[in-house]
Amino acid sequence: KNEVEQSPQNLTAQEGEFITINCSYSVGISALHWLQQHPGGGIVSLFMLSSGKKKHGRLIATINIQEKHSSLHITASHPRDSAVYICAVRSGGNEKLTFGTGTRLTIIP
Amino acid sequence: EAGVTQSPTHLIKTRGQQATLRCSPISGHTSVYWYQQALGLGLQFLLWYDEGEERNRGNFPPRFSGRQFPNYSSELNVNALELEDSALYLCASSFVFGNEQFFGPGTRLTVL
Repeated sequence: KNEVEQSPQNLTAQEGEFITINCSYSVGISALHWLQQHPGGGIVSLFMLSSGKKKHGRLIATINIQEKHSSLHITASHPRDSAVYICAVRSGGNEKLTFGTGTRLTIIP
Repeated sequence: EAGVTQSPTHLIKTRGQQATLRCSPISGHTSVYWYQQALGLGLQFLLWYDEGEERNRGNFPPRFSGRQFPNYSSELNVNALELEDSALYLCASSFVFGNEQFFGPGTRLTVL
């Protein structure tokens, strides 16, 4: 079993839909990252969080430390949101990131 | 502010050769991280350098090595290349321990 599990693996939605991507992890962590990877490979860091909730534009990330679970939400989704979204966790005292396998999101106009 | 830069963008080598990949962190960042993303696999942690020292390495053989220079730029060397080393190699940097990592565009290494 992977330390970091994401669901769904693939998600196709219509433009404007509310999107939720889930991440569960099995180890104690000091922080969780949400990353976005576009075709071609470049990665953008969306959020780093260790508790509660963060919001940036149409993106919202939440984390429940007790349940070892995080969600990434996209409101009013747009075709430009099409990308792979990756969850990564950092364990306490160790800068190494452990990554989920990613969720491929496709938004259809 | 300039982001993390990596060079070259693409690199083609043959089996048994050596590859050198370079990374320049964001100005002021002292930590540099290297990750490998092989086709069909997720991102895997390779190496972490901070203040010129190797602080941690992932589950990779010793032929993967690197260094960090006094200006905090970093080099990843892969010796005795194997076909399965073909991957996207990503570099990231952060201010200090525990801070957000910012990623570069990657170097795509192809081993023939």
